[in-house]
Amino acid sequence: AQSVAQPEDQVNVAEGNPLTVKCTYSVSGNPYLFWYVQYPNRGLQFLLKYITGDNLVKGSYGFEAEFNKSQTSFHLKKPSALVSDSALYFCAVRDSTGTASKLTFGTGTRLQVTL
Amino acid sequence: GAGVSQSPSNKVTEKGKDVELRCDPISGHTALYWYRQSLGQGLEFLIYFQGNSAPDKSGLPSDRFSAERTGGSVSTLTIQRTQQEDSAVYLCASSLVSQETQYFGPGTRLLVL
Repeated sequence: AQSVAQPEDQVNVAEGNPLTVKCTYSVSGNPYLFWYVQYPNRGLQFLLKYITGDNLVKGSYGFEAEFNKSQTSFHLKKPSALVSDSALYFCAVRDSTGTASKLTFGTGTRLQVTL
Repeated sequence: GAGVSQSPSNKVTEKGKDVELRCDPISGHTALYWYRQSLGQGLEFLIYFQGNSAPDKSGLPSDRFSAERTGGSVSTLTIQRTQQEDSAVYLCASSLVSQETQYFGPGTRLLVL
């Protein structure tokens, strides 16, 4: 079975400061990891993914995430937050082995960026 | 290019009625997924279609839920005899092939009164 944990329901950060949204995962094989963002009354927008290779993955809107196999983590980061980054962020995982393609999502973390 | 589209965007129905939700995937995408986003339940997988293969129905919560994908493109999710606990946002996603990134539509917000 695969699972994802996002331990923080909400993260508050001031504009211009760095932000981190935490994610840990559990899969039986090697993980495929994803971050999505959801703005109010909108669907999920893809931000970035880790499949293999470099542990630091760069994505849309200046976001990046670091894959850490020993800690089974895939934290989302941005060096300088913007008010417009305020949204709901979801981490998701899929096991690279087998044929199952469904994503398992975390419960989401609400990011609030204030002036 | 055009993304995943879903219709209707909002649906209000009475308990016991049947509803149909539609998804148009990105052109050329062979894999299509349905997820449900509920308050307190997060995002949960419902069903997955890949080409002409038998769909993975392992996430459907009850036999009141069914889905089909005609011609390898458009998909319809049907909920029969709706219950209040079916109220949620139903999200559709597609990917080029089953192992690739899934792109989501805007969702259909279903309210069962």
